[in-house]
Amino acid sequence: GAVVSQHPSRVICKSGTSVKIECRSLDFQATTMFWYRQFPKQSLMLMATSNEGSKATYEQGVEKDKFLINHASLTLSTLTVTSAHPEDSSFYICSARARPEAFFGQGTRLTVV
Amino acid sequence: AQSVAQPEDQVNVAEGNPLTVKCTYSVSGNPYLFWYVQYPNRGLQFLLKYITGDNLVKGSYGFEAEFNKSQTSFHLKKPSALVSDSALYFCAVTREGQGAQKLVFGQGTRLTINP
Repeated sequence: GAVVSQHPSRVICKSGTSVKIECRSLDFQATTMFWYRQFPKQSLMLMATSNEGSKATYEQGVEKDKFLINHASLTLSTLTVTSAHPEDSSFYICSARARPEAFFGQGTRLTVV
Repeated sequence: AQSVAQPEDQVNVAEGNPLTVKCTYSVSGNPYLFWYVQYPNRGLQFLLKYITGDNLVKGSYGFEAEFNKSQTSFHLKKPSALVSDSALYFCAVTREGQGAQKLVFGQGTRLTINP
């Protein structure tokens, strides 16, 4: 089956620093990837749609300068949380669609201290 | 626009009993419907999908779901629950033909199987 790999699985950073999260499709090409944020005991909130070779499409209310997305190849999308603050602490998940269904990375637990 | 509703935040079932996790959807056109499961601090795992064909679809770990067009529902079921089925379950929908478009998720249902 299709595999999406997300790295790192867990990261702790200091307030004011930036953190990069990688999402790779291992056995298929993904022109589109999706980045979600999940708060405790809540559903997935779509942050943005990452488009290979072009700008990402951000959902309403998501700061594009805060959450930088780069989709430089058909197998890699990155999410950079810039100048992170404690309120950015969350669980971030990427996904890509192969066949009709979507496949998800294992998620990244970001803690900003 | 598509939407998904999971009316129950929490479902508790005794081990060995049948379980049902409810999902209703709204979409213009033919729906593609999915169920995913999430374990703590993990991403979502695909369980099953309905695209076309038989209304009863079978998926991973003994789960199945029934597509009901008239009731716009896609309830997840399992004949005999296991404690290891305890997790967070998400229903999702997209519209036929939206090849690379996003899935719309329900709010999730926490399933707890009691020994």
